[in-house]
Amino acid sequence: NAGVTQTPKFQVLKTGQSMTLQCAQDMNHEYMSWYRQDPGMGLRLIHYSVGAGITDQGEVPNGYNVSRSTTEDFPLRLLSAAPSQTSVYFCASRRFSGGNTIYFGEGSWLTVV
Amino acid sequence: SQQGEEDPQALSIQEGENATMNCSYKTSINNLQWYRQNSGRGLVHLILIRSNEREKHSGRLRVTLDTSKKSSSLLITASRAADTASYFCATDALGAQKLVFGQGTRLTINP
Repeated sequence: NAGVTQTPKFQVLKTGQSMTLQCAQDMNHEYMSWYRQDPGMGLRLIHYSVGAGITDQGEVPNGYNVSRSTTEDFPLRLLSAAPSQTSVYFCASRRFSGGNTIYFGEGSWLTVV
Repeated sequence: SQQGEEDPQALSIQEGENATMNCSYKTSINNLQWYRQNSGRGLVHLILIRSNEREKHSGRLRVTLDTSKKSSSLLITASRAADTASYFCATDALGAQKLVFGQGTRLTINP
């Protein structure tokens, strides 16, 4: 199993541009989520999904869209990038039933100039 | 606001000493998990403790949970330089469908 795969690893955007961070998992996990991590901070939940066709907002959803058309994929879209969205983004997945380990991707470093 | 709050924010000790990190949370939980993050990498699961458990061990790790105080601690015994990392607690709240992380403790082990 490849686990959780995120692309791209690094990206520089200009203010106002849009882009999509890709996330895929091959563990047949129902639950997928996106977090952002700012310097010296913990992870803040952006959006999450408990299955194909179901998404919900986390703590900091503004400026981001998600969709879950398949179990495997959970892309994160930045609609109009702002410097405040400069961060490291982590995708994660786990089996839906509580108490299961969450598996993280290696992160996507995004800089908005 | 974050469900979990770690304390201290940073900890620096000598190799061989024990390291203790604490986590407090606000609402009732199903379980609490601890994760480790090496610089520039994703988070890696260390240990999970369920709400009906009080203590759990895994190798050099010992986790305690006090649901009455809504707090947990992570003890790393006989620390090694390779334990240098950030450690995060994450709570799986009752009735919620999301895992919420604290801000982490940055642990430095000095050789």
